[in-house]
Amino acid sequence: DQQVKQNSPSLSVQEGRISILNCDYTNSMFDYFLWYKKYPAEGPTFLISISSIKDKNEDGRFTVFLNKSAKHLSLHIVPSQPGDSAVYFCAAMNRDDKIIFGKGTRLHILP
Amino acid sequence: KAGVTQTPRYLIKTRGQQVTLSCSPISGHRSVSWYQQTPGQGLQFLFEYFSETQRNKGNFPGRFSGRQFSNSRSEMNVSTLELGDSALYLCASSPTPGYNSPLHFGNGTRLTVT
Repeated sequence: DQQVKQNSPSLSVQEGRISILNCDYTNSMFDYFLWYKKYPAEGPTFLISISSIKDKNEDGRFTVFLNKSAKHLSLHIVPSQPGDSAVYFCAAMNRDDKIIFGKGTRLHILP
Repeated sequence: KAGVTQTPRYLIKTRGQQVTLSCSPISGHRSVSWYQQTPGQGLQFLFEYFSETQRNKGNFPGRFSGRQFSNSRSEMNVSTLELGDSALYLCASSPTPGYNSPLHFGNGTRLTVT
């Protein structure tokens, strides 16, 4: 069973517009959520995180929103830039510190 | 500061063989975890070590094992390789386990089993 789901395998967005990547989870015990970004031939890099006690966290062009009742989080990138083209992984952690990743969404920023 | 180093970068093995992958964490990082990335399954957690002890384990068969040394370097071993073990194996380190220590990943070892 997939506890962290990224239902869009890929997404294309025009440069300068907003990119919205979505993630759903099933385990209500998750209380910390993270986004990682991965370029080809490189390991993932940490982007932004959010605790379940918050509903929004912002870092520059990146904002993560958490809707606990819907078990849904989203990553907003504004404005989208060519260097944002990558695979984005949503991840969730519970109190035993085990991290569960989604399958990833490939973001293409179009010129 | 040097990043997480994984060796080798690429490996080709045949079914039935065994393989050992190596990971050197960032200096000062004592927690090391391993992940398998495949196109169909994304990133799947294998196991995590902290201070030479396994803290957590994912849902992988016993053919997958690991260990951590006193200098925090870690190795992962896969015995009796199967075709389905072909994947990118990623190692990540953090100062300590837990929420406040985001993972720093290496560039991975791409294993191909023929």
